[in-house]
Amino acid sequence: AQRVTQPEKLLSVFKGAPVELKCNYSYSGSPELFWYVQYSRQRLQLLLRHISRESIKGFTADLNKGETSFHLKKPFAQEEDSAMYYCALSDTGNQFYFGTGTSLTVIP
Amino acid sequence: KAGVTQTPRYLIKTRGQQVTLSCSPISGHRSVSWYQQTPGQGLQFLFEYFSETQRNKGNFPGRFSGRQFSNSRSEMNVSTLELGDSALYLCASSLRQDSNYGYTFGSGTRLTVV
Repeated sequence: AQRVTQPEKLLSVFKGAPVELKCNYSYSGSPELFWYVQYSRQRLQLLLRHISRESIKGFTADLNKGETSFHLKKPFAQEEDSAMYYCALSDTGNQFYFGTGTSLTVIP
Repeated sequence: KAGVTQTPRYLIKTRGQQVTLSCSPISGHRSVSWYQQTPGQGLQFLFEYFSETQRNKGNFPGRFSGRQFSNSRSEMNVSTLELGDSALYLCASSLRQDSNYGYTFGSGTRLTVV
């Protein structure tokens, strides 16, 4: 069975501090992994995809197959980063599995 | 271009009733997925359609059904509503047949069952 785990429901960091949102997955094949973000009163939106190896809004995420992790990182947190973050996994059947989300608060 | 549009935004229904929710994907997107979002369970996959065919179905009872039309618009139906069906129902569309591209979400329909 596929599963995505986000161990932290809540995470608070100070502005300018590094932030890491953890995501671990269990999947027997080669997963497609994503991070989605939901800002206050806005719709859920795609932040980044592991396949693109991109950096969006200063965030990066590296797929570590050995540790089955896809942690989201940013070296210097900004207040506008405060939001709900969801890690998601897609299997070869195009079915998405979302983690339960981590609420990030950046303290000014 | 317009995003994913879901109607209605809010619904209040009583137990035992049925409800139909509508989703218009981004123009050109042929894959449409539905999710149920609740505080306790988070985002749970309902089903996914591509070119009018249901390709995947999540672990929900048969009371939950859906369909997709030739113009890619999709509807989901919940029959014999239960209090536990109260949730935000999200629709998402994708350009490509595979999932690598990710999905664009609508704002959702907030369903309250009383």
